[in-house]
Amino acid sequence: GAVVSQHPSWVICKSGTSVKIECRSLDFQATTMFWYRQFPKQSLMLMATSNEGSKATYEQGVEKDKFLINHASLTLSTLTVTSAHPEDSSFYICSARFISYEQYFGPGTRLTVT
Amino acid sequence: GDSVTQMEGPVTLSEEAFLTINCTYTATGYPSLFWYVQYPGEGLQLLLKATKADDKGSNKGFEATYRKETTSFHLEKGSVQVSDSAVYFCALSEETSGSRLTFGEGTQLTVNP
Repeated sequence: GAVVSQHPSWVICKSGTSVKIECRSLDFQATTMFWYRQFPKQSLMLMATSNEGSKATYEQGVEKDKFLINHASLTLSTLTVTSAHPEDSSFYICSARFISYEQYFGPGTRLTVT
Repeated sequence: GDSVTQMEGPVTLSEEAFLTINCTYTATGYPSLFWYVQYPGEGLQLLLKATKADDKGSNKGFEATYRKETTSFHLEKGSVQVSDSAVYFCALSEETSGSRLTFGEGTQLTVNP
């Protein structure tokens, strides 16, 4: 099956710094990637949809200047959390859409802001 | 808009028990339906899917049938194992919304030996 990786799997950063999370489709080209946020024991909340070569589309309530998304190639999308604060601590999951419209999910990145 | 409602958890079963996790949906068109599983500390894995009414998705002993008349996609397994302990998410996707997934709340399943 299709494989999506995320890096890092776990990161701790200090308040006020920025953190970049990478999402890669390893064995297919993904024209669309999605970024989700998941709080403990809750469902996934879609943050943004990222199309290769164009600006990301953010969901209502998601600050685009805080969560910068770049989809520079058909196999890589990045999420940068700028000026991170403790309330940004969460589990971030990406997914990549295959041509059949099925999404394949990465293993997630746990961000802790101290 | 689209929505997915799952039965509340957590669900605790003994090994070899029968499992049902209810899922109902609301959609404007003809969605595809999915069940995803999330093991502790991991991302989501697609468990099974169905793309049209009366389709049955199945995988690893799990089954779910797309019921348009009752707008349901209940997950079942005849005999659960300890290794099935995880969180299960029901989801739908419509092409009219760019194939974005709408998730249910998730149901925590714990299977005891």
